[in-house]
Amino acid sequence: QKEVEQDPGPLSVPEGAIVSLNCTYSNSAFQYFMWYRQYSRKGPELLMYTYSSGNKEDGRFTAQVDKSSKYISLFIRDSQPSDSATYLCAMSEGLNFNKFYFGSGTKLNVKP
Amino acid sequence: GAVVSQHPSWVICKSGTSVKIECRSLDFQATTMFWYRQFPKQSLMLMATSNEGSKATYEQGVEKDKFLINHASLTLSTLTVTSAHPEDSSFYICSATKGLPPYNEQFFGPGTRLTVL
Repeated sequence: QKEVEQDPGPLSVPEGAIVSLNCTYSNSAFQYFMWYRQYSRKGPELLMYTYSSGNKEDGRFTAQVDKSSKYISLFIRDSQPSDSATYLCAMSEGLNFNKFYFGSGTKLNVKP
Repeated sequence: GAVVSQHPSWVICKSGTSVKIECRSLDFQATTMFWYRQFPKQSLMLMATSNEGSKATYEQGVEKDKFLINHASLTLSTLTVTSAHPEDSSFYICSATKGLPPYNEQFFGPGTRLTVL
């Protein structure tokens, strides 16, 4: 079993739709949860960062962490064609923060 | 800002040759740098962690003698793929951190696409 599971998609939505991206994990020691956006042939860029459980909002993006279910989500409101990319979740343990465990990424296509 | 660059952005080489990839933190001193490998439609796989002035820590299954990492300064780490073979063709991405635990965000470079003929 992989440490982090993520549906690879692709996920295709019309412009303006609400997008929900999810990851599940098996290691209950994970405390730091990140979402990265990666455009084709580029390095990942950090979108959101959350510590422990709860919600965090930044503009059109909302990250949710449910540690009891080992489930994290990223919501994108009013999706735009420029949001089309691969979204990677990543997580790490508290005492060994340096090592990140990545999901396989979900490819999102927002159609104009 | 926290910008990480990689050079080259893409490289094609013949089987059996060695290739060096550079990773630089342009506007900060990186306490730690990481090297990842990414196959098409797959996740980033950590290859090794390196700190300036010390030997890199390699992940299980990664050959130290094949993937040589040199972290010469707080702003530069290099990955050398020795005696490259077609199966080494991949997208190699580095990242760097500038903080200390418990919070040390990783800033990623743009990646280097290696094709071994």
